[in-house]
Amino acid sequence: NAGVTQTPKFRILKIGQSMTLQCTQDMNHNYMYWYRQDPGMGLKLIYYSVGAGITDKGEVPNGYNVSRSTTEDFPLRLELAAPSQTSVYFCASQPGLAGGYNEQFFGPGTRLTVL
Amino acid sequence: TQLLEQSPQFLSIQEGENLTVYCNSSSVFSSLQWYRQEPGEGPVLLVTVVTGGEVKKLKRLTFQFGDARKDSSLHITAAQPGDTGLYLCAGVKTSYDKVIFGPGTSLSVIP
Repeated sequence: NAGVTQTPKFRILKIGQSMTLQCTQDMNHNYMYWYRQDPGMGLKLIYYSVGAGITDKGEVPNGYNVSRSTTEDFPLRLELAAPSQTSVYFCASQPGLAGGYNEQFFGPGTRLTVL
Repeated sequence: TQLLEQSPQFLSIQEGENLTVYCNSSSVFSSLQWYRQEPGEGPVLLVTVVTGGEVKKLKRLTFQFGDARKDSSLHITAAQPGDTGLYLCAGVKTSYDKVIFGPGTSLSVIP
């Protein structure tokens, strides 16, 4: 199994441009998450999904959109990129909510710079 | 305001030294997890603790969940350069809640 894969690894955008960050998992996990990680701030939840066709906002959803048409894929869309969206983005998947043992499996991250 | 606080924020020690990092909250959690994140990679789960007062050992790492389930600690014995990374604690309030991450402790072990 490849686990959770993310593309691209690095990207530089100009202000106002748009892009899609790709995330795919091959573990048949129902739950998927998008986080952003800023220096010294830990992980902030952007959006999450509990299954195909179901998505919901996290802590910092403004400026982002997601879709979940299949169990495997959970792309994150940035519209009108702003310098405040410069960050490292992590996608994660989780089998389900199993009585507190909620291990999340993370991808390698996408480092995005908006200039 | 962070729901989970971690201390210290940064720690730089010599190889062979012992260290303890802390994860604290004013809230009760049904479980707490510790993840380690190496530079340029995503976090990887080290351990989950679910019972107040629980102690788990993973080779040179010892994890403890506070009796009141509001805090946790990670103790590393005889630190090695391979222990270098960002240590994140993460809590779940109930079995049906999303995971909440702390800001992390950045550990550097100097050879």
